[in-house]
Amino acid sequence: GNSVTQMEGPVTLSEEAFLTINCTYTATGYPSLFWYVQYPGEGLQLLLKATKADDKGSNKGFEATYRKETTSFHLEKGSVQVSDSAVYFCALGITGRRALTFGSGTRLQVQP
Amino acid sequence: EAQVTQNPRYLITVTGKKLTVTCSQNMNHEYMSWYRQDPGLGLRQIYYSMNVEVTDKGDVPEGYKVSRKEKRNFPLILESPSPNQTSLYFCASSHDRVLSGANVLTFGAGSRLTVL
Repeated sequence: GNSVTQMEGPVTLSEEAFLTINCTYTATGYPSLFWYVQYPGEGLQLLLKATKADDKGSNKGFEATYRKETTSFHLEKGSVQVSDSAVYFCALGITGRRALTFGSGTRLQVQP
Repeated sequence: EAQVTQNPRYLITVTGKKLTVTCSQNMNHEYMSWYRQDPGLGLRQIYYSMNVEVTDKGDVPEGYKVSRKEKRNFPLILESPSPNQTSLYFCASSHDRVLSGANVLTFGAGSRLTVL
């Protein structure tokens, strides 16, 4: 079956630190990969996505590269801000399926 | 503003008392879905709908019902809530009936339900 594994949180960083949140997946077929972000009290928002191997998704300073050989889609940011504090979800979608498969989420706390 | 609206945002109820969580989208989306979010489990799909009068079970449908009488609305019904349905619920919608890599979900702000 399909599954997504994320590193457990919370991840606590100081402002301007480098961020990596690991995400690996197993999937039948060729998935598209997503990172969604959930700010406190809000619903999930799409942060970035990649639809095929070696694609790099990027948005708001965040990046993730679709690595088929390692089945990974790690999220990175060079310099985090307090406003990046949120829960980050990695997800995969298989064309034709009716739902995305989400990881368990990683809480990021950025301290000033 | 394009959005998915859920109500209520917070609800405390007791075991067995029927409740409905409403979901409405103003984007003319074909696809709508309900997820529940639980600590350590991420989001799990409860039900989805690809069009009016077309609904189907997701991964965790037990104890829930849905209906899709109008394109914009997709209410989640708990006929006899139990404490294990205490959770954070999200409604989501998408333009296309079939999810694909080019397609993304738009989520509501969530409804936190507590069943005592």
